[in-house]
Amino acid sequence: DAGVIQSPRHEVTEMGQEVTLRCKPISGHNSLFWYRQTMMRGLELLIYFNNNVPIDDSGMPEDRFSAKMPNASFSTLKIQPSEPRDSAVYFCASRPEMGGNQPQHFGDGTRLSIL
Amino acid sequence: AQSVSQHNHHVILSEAASLELGCNYSYGGTVNLFWYVQYPGQHLQLLLKYFSGDPLVKGIKGFEAEFIKSKFSFNLRKPSVQWSDTAEYFCAVSPYGNNRLAFGKGNQVVVIP
Repeated sequence: DAGVIQSPRHEVTEMGQEVTLRCKPISGHNSLFWYRQTMMRGLELLIYFNNNVPIDDSGMPEDRFSAKMPNASFSTLKIQPSEPRDSAVYFCASRPEMGGNQPQHFGDGTRLSIL
Repeated sequence: AQSVSQHNHHVILSEAASLELGCNYSYGGTVNLFWYVQYPGQHLQLLLKYFSGDPLVKGIKGFEAEFIKSKFSFNLRKPSVQWSDTAEYFCAVSPYGNNRLAFGKGNQVVVIP
C-alpha cells in the first residue's frame, strides 16, 4: 500500500505566484481531505470530497484558494495569488468511506513558504 | 461545531517516566475519538481510536487511552516513555456518521534520554 502521496514536499515561492499542491489518495478510498497546519491555528480542515464531489468547503480561507478532484486518484489545491500568510504545511488525507468508522490516512504534507 | 482541547502544549520528560496527555471535547452526541502522532518531519499517523465498546483502548507502541463519556475526555497514556516517543500528539473527534474530524492544537512531547 503506497499510502497517500503528496507533491511537492517543499515549495518556496514569491508572493503573488500561483501555487498548486497535488495529492494522490490511497486506491479505493473515496473520501479525500485537505488540511492546513500552522503553529498558531493547529490543524484546520480546508475542504473534503466524497466520490470526487466537494462536500464541505467551509474551511477554505478565501477565494484565492480552490480545490479540485477530477478523478478518484488525484486532487489539487491551488492558491492564486499566494501571500506570505499562506505559509504552512498542507496535508492531504483519505479514508475508505464517508461517515464510516474508518480513520483518515495522511500524506507526508507539503511545506509551503511564501516569501 | 465540536471543539477539542488539549492542555499543556509542551511536555518535557525523561525516559521511563509516565506520560498522560489530556483531551476534552465539546459535543453532546455520539463521537468517534482518535489520537494521532506526528514524528518530527513526518505525517500524522494513527495511534489509536475509539468507536464503541470497551472505553479503554490500546494502540500501537504501548499507548492507551480511556474514554470517559461523563467527562467528555479521551486522555492518552503511556506508562514508560522512550526517547523515540518524542513527537507531537493530536487528539481528534468526529461526530458519529460525520466525515469532519476536529483536531486539538496538539501536545509537543520531548523525551530526554
